[in-house]
Amino acid sequence: DTAVSQTPKYLVTQMGNDKSIKCEQNLGHDTMYWYKQDSKKFLKIMFSYNNKELIINETVPNRFSPKSPDKAHLNLHINSLELGDSAVYFCASRDSQGLGYGYTFGSGTRLTVV
Amino acid sequence: SQQGEEDPQALSIQEGENATMNCSYKTSINNLQWYRQNSGRGLVHLILIRSNEREKHSGRLRVTLDTSKKSSSLLITASRAADTASYFCASSWASGGSYIPTFGRGTSLIVHP
Repeated sequence: DTAVSQTPKYLVTQMGNDKSIKCEQNLGHDTMYWYKQDSKKFLKIMFSYNNKELIINETVPNRFSPKSPDKAHLNLHINSLELGDSAVYFCASRDSQGLGYGYTFGSGTRLTVV
Repeated sequence: SQQGEEDPQALSIQEGENATMNCSYKTSINNLQWYRQNSGRGLVHLILIRSNEREKHSGRLRVTLDTSKKSSSLLITASRAADTASYFCASSWASGGSYIPTFGRGTSLIVHP
């Protein structure tokens, strides 16, 4: 059973398009994250939601808009896609009250903008 | 930038040898975590060490933390070919009531059978 699931796993699209990536976790965690991993494997945090409330919003173009309909879901919508958006996007979650535990990651969505 | 840095960037060893990876970070932390990432996969949590701990073990893994030097090390003993992966440290620091996990660029480990 997948704990943090992202869809789609692969996404190839043309510049200028709008696309969404979905993330769902069945762990009962209250905090979810979006990370971007570039070609050099650098993982950069983009957003974090706690109980549907945005708590971290790093310097990300406003073409990226996260949406959390409930605490088990955190979707990422990207408008007007650019070549530089090509990367692997990871969703993660954690229990903010469980200080002894790490983050659970999804398997990633590889986005290729052509 | 608050990001951590792993060292070395790449490590190639023979099966049975020990592998040591280091991580440095910049701010005071609440805890530090190590993750493994197999090629094309997500990150898997390995071990978490709190800021008031100095050493922690989990199976063949040993993690140390030196808060005075703002550094941590991950030792994998008796390595196996299956340990081939990228290893990341994540320092977790508090900001506005939230804990922000900040990753380094990872150490790419290759274990030759």
